[in-house]
Amino acid sequence: ETGVTQSPTHLIKTRGQQVTLRCSSQSGHNTVSWYQQALGQGPQFIFQYYREEENGRGNFPPRFSGLQFPNYSSELNVNALELDDSALYLCASSLNQYTEAFFGQGTRLTVV
Amino acid sequence: GIQVEQSPPDLILQEGANSTLRCNFSDSVNNLQWFHQNPWGQLINLFYIPSGTKQNGRLSATTVATERYSLLYISSSQTTDSGVYFCAVEGAQKLVFGQGTRLTINP
Repeated sequence: ETGVTQSPTHLIKTRGQQVTLRCSSQSGHNTVSWYQQALGQGPQFIFQYYREEENGRGNFPPRFSGLQFPNYSSELNVNALELDDSALYLCASSLNQYTEAFFGQGTRLTVV
Repeated sequence: GIQVEQSPPDLILQEGANSTLRCNFSDSVNNLQWFHQNPWGQLINLFYIPSGTKQNGRLSATTVATERYSLLYISSSQTTDSGVYFCAVEGAQKLVFGQGTRLTINP
């Protein structure tokens, strides 16, 4: 059984560019959630996907968008990058919406 | 929305000491998880404990849902226990995290 994997692990982008982060959920899990963790803070919820549909969204602007594929893997897209988007982005998968969440190793995004 | 508070924010101990980390939450919750964030940023699952008590080796956790708090106990601390410990509760299909407790175990 493979765990949650994210790619890439590190990324450097220029302000104004667009970025796509990827997440493969744990085998058998149909729910994927994305979180942003700024330095020294706890993770903040961005959005959740359940069976390919968005199932809840945190307080993030529309330039943060996502997608879940039929195999339940997921993408997080961020347009028009800002310096404050620099953070660790964490993906979590769970068996369904209400069960234990398991996290990937994260993608560290730096916007310069 | 649900508020989660962790205490203390920082804890420095000698190897071999015991520690207790606390998590208070503002509303009833269905789920509560404790995580250890390793130096590379990955959140490692410690306990999934919406209520009751669980133990795993030197670690144990207790959640008293009616009083809206959870405790994480670490006994006989080792230097490898160092890192940030997060409590997270489920509210509206999302996990709400506390600010974490940074634990430093000195040899």
